[in-house]
Amino acid sequence: QKEVEQNSGPLSVPEGAIASLNCTYSDRGSQSFFWYRQYSGKSPELIMSIYSNGDKEDGRFTAQLNKASQYVSLLIRDSQPSDSATYLCAVSRSYNTDKLIFGTGTRLQVFP
Amino acid sequence: DGGITQSPKYLFRKEGQNVTLSCEQNLNHDAMYWYRQDPGQGLRLIYYSQIVNDFQKGDIAEGYSVSREKKESFPLTVTSAQKNPTAFYLCASRYVGGGQPQHFGDGTRLSIL
Repeated sequence: QKEVEQNSGPLSVPEGAIASLNCTYSDRGSQSFFWYRQYSGKSPELIMSIYSNGDKEDGRFTAQLNKASQYVSLLIRDSQPSDSATYLCAVSRSYNTDKLIFGTGTRLQVFP
Repeated sequence: DGGITQSPKYLFRKEGQNVTLSCEQNLNHDAMYWYRQDPGQGLRLIYYSQIVNDFQKGDIAEGYSVSREKKESFPLTVTSAQKNPTAFYLCASRYVGGGQPQHFGDGTRLSIL
């Protein structure tokens, strides 16, 4: 079992729809969770960080964390073609975040 | 502007040659990191450093070396011992403590001639 698992996709959604990206992790002791967006050929860009169970909203993005079920998700409301990218889930065992474990990413395609 | 600068953007290595990738940050971040990304794979940690003159091996340190002589700089040397160096190399940095996230530079793409 991989430490951090994501469906590689592509996940295709129409413009204006909600895109739901999921990530599961194996280490129950994980404390810090991050979502990065990576456009093709570019470096990852931090979108959201979440540390406690529940939802965290920032604009069109909502991160959801369920530590009991060991999953973290990212919802993108009103998806735009510019949201088309690979979304990386990263997990750290501690708040120290020195060692982030990355998933392989989910490719999102938003079509007009 | 504050940020993380990686150079060069593209680099070519000949067989048996060592090459050094530069990473400089002016964010006053304490910790710096080097990752490698291969197509279809997640980022893998090569080395990291929390303070000047100290660094630790990550998961794939073999064939690489680093130094941290200044807080702002964390260069990575890809040695001839690294037999498959072709990859996208990413440098990151962050403030230590409090769950602060890592932020990335623009990356260096290394290829073998």
